[in-house]
Amino acid sequence: NAGVTQTPKFQVLKTGQSMTLQCAQDMNHEYMSWYRQDPGMGLRLIHYSVGAGITDQGEVPNGYNVSRSTTEDFPLRLLSAAPSQTSVYFCASSRPNQPQHFGDGTRLSIL
Amino acid sequence: GEDVEQSLFLSVREGDSSVINCTYTDSSSTYLYWYKQEPGAGLQLLTYIFSNMDMKQDQRLTVLLNKKDKHLSLRIADTQTGDSAIYFCAESPSGGTSYGKLTFGQGTILTVHP
Repeated sequence: NAGVTQTPKFQVLKTGQSMTLQCAQDMNHEYMSWYRQDPGMGLRLIHYSVGAGITDQGEVPNGYNVSRSTTEDFPLRLLSAAPSQTSVYFCASSRPNQPQHFGDGTRLSIL
Repeated sequence: GEDVEQSLFLSVREGDSSVINCTYTDSSSTYLYWYKQEPGAGLQLLTYIFSNMDMKQDQRLTVLLNKKDKHLSLRIADTQTGDSAIYFCAESPSGGTSYGKLTFGQGTILTVHP
């Protein structure tokens, strides 16, 4: 079982570039979420999904888009990267009433 | 909105007990979690407690929940150097689709000295 797989592990972008952070899970979990981790601020929820075709905004959604076309995949898109989006991004998945399982993270730097 | 607060630092000697504290504001919290993060790694679930419980014990870990004061603690017995990490408290609100959302504290950096 691979669990939650995030790619890439590291990425450097220039301001204004776009990219997609990939997240895949093989546990058939209904719920998937994206968080960003910044020093001294814990993890903050960006977007989440309770099933294929259903997404909703979290605490810090601006500048990010998501879609959920399959149960397994939940990509996070940065349309026009800004230095403020430099962070570590974590994807998580779970079943209802169960704890979230986290991926190893994507470390993103925007110059 | 929901808020979760933790102290930022804790330093203990190897073999002592560690107690990491957390307070939360959402009285409708259903589950409360403790995650561990080692340097450069993802989050590892340590334990969690349902809101109708007062205590949960799992080997060296003891979780205490005081719902009246909205206070959660994690006690690590016989702390080892391998326990040095960041510990996050998180809460999940009640209600079906809300289970996809966790609110995290800032994290407590635990340093264990030999």
